[in-house]
Amino acid sequence: AQSVSQHNHHVILSEAASLELGCNYSYGGTVNLFWYVQYPGQHLQLLLKYFSGDPLVKGIKGFEAEFIKSKFSFNLRKPSVQWSDTAEYFCAVSKSFMNRDDKIIFGKGTRLHILP
Amino acid sequence: GAVVSQHPSRVICKSGTSVKIECRSLDFQATTMFWYRQFPKQSLMLMATSNEGSKATYEQGVEKDKFLINHASLTLSTLTVTSAHPEDSSFYICSAIHDRLTDTQYFGPGTRLTVL
Repeated sequence: AQSVSQHNHHVILSEAASLELGCNYSYGGTVNLFWYVQYPGQHLQLLLKYFSGDPLVKGIKGFEAEFIKSKFSFNLRKPSVQWSDTAEYFCAVSKSFMNRDDKIIFGKGTRLHILP
Repeated sequence: GAVVSQHPSRVICKSGTSVKIECRSLDFQATTMFWYRQFPKQSLMLMATSNEGSKATYEQGVEKDKFLINHASLTLSTLTVTSAHPEDSSFYICSAIHDRLTDTQYFGPGTRLTVL
C-alpha cells in the first residue's frame, strides 16, 4: 500500500532562512507527486506537482521540489522564506494512471512558522 | 483556474439531526470527487471517493449509512451526515478531479460542522 511520510511536523524559521521540508513515499511503481499548502483560514491549494520529465519542479511563490526516485523522496525547498509562507504544507502521492479505485495519499503535514 | 465551492461554510446542529453539505465544481466537470475529514493539527483523512453516476467508495472505518454521498451530476456531490452526534463535529473538505490521468485535485474551502 502507498504511504507518505513527512518527517518534520513543526518547523520554525526566521525570515530569509532557507527551507527544506522532507517527504518520502512508499510505492514501487510510477507515481505522481504533489505539494499542497494551506494558509491560515484558507483552503488547500496546489503548490506544485510532478508527473514526469524534469525531476526538479518549480511551483508558485518561489517554491521548488526535487523528485529523487532512488530515495523515494520529493522534498520541498525555498531558498529564502517570507513571513507570508507561514502555513501548513502537505505532501501527497498517487499512482500514475490511477484506476477507479485508486486515491491520492496525503502526508500528515508540516506546520511552518516564519518569524518576522 | 478550477474552482470548487462548498456550502454551507459553517453549520451548527442539534444532536440527532441530519446535515447536508454540498460540493460543486464551478468551472469544470468533475469525474471524481473526494470527501475528507480534517481533525485539528492532523492531516486529511479520506472518507470516500465519489464517482459521478455510481455508488461512492468508502474508506475502511467510515460508516456508509451515516455519511451518505450522492454524486448526481458532474458538478455536484453531496455529503449528508445522518443522525449527527457531537463526535461528528469536524472540518469536512471536498475535492474534485477533472482528469484522473493528471490527478490534480482542486479543493473546496471546507465546512465546519458543530454538533451540539
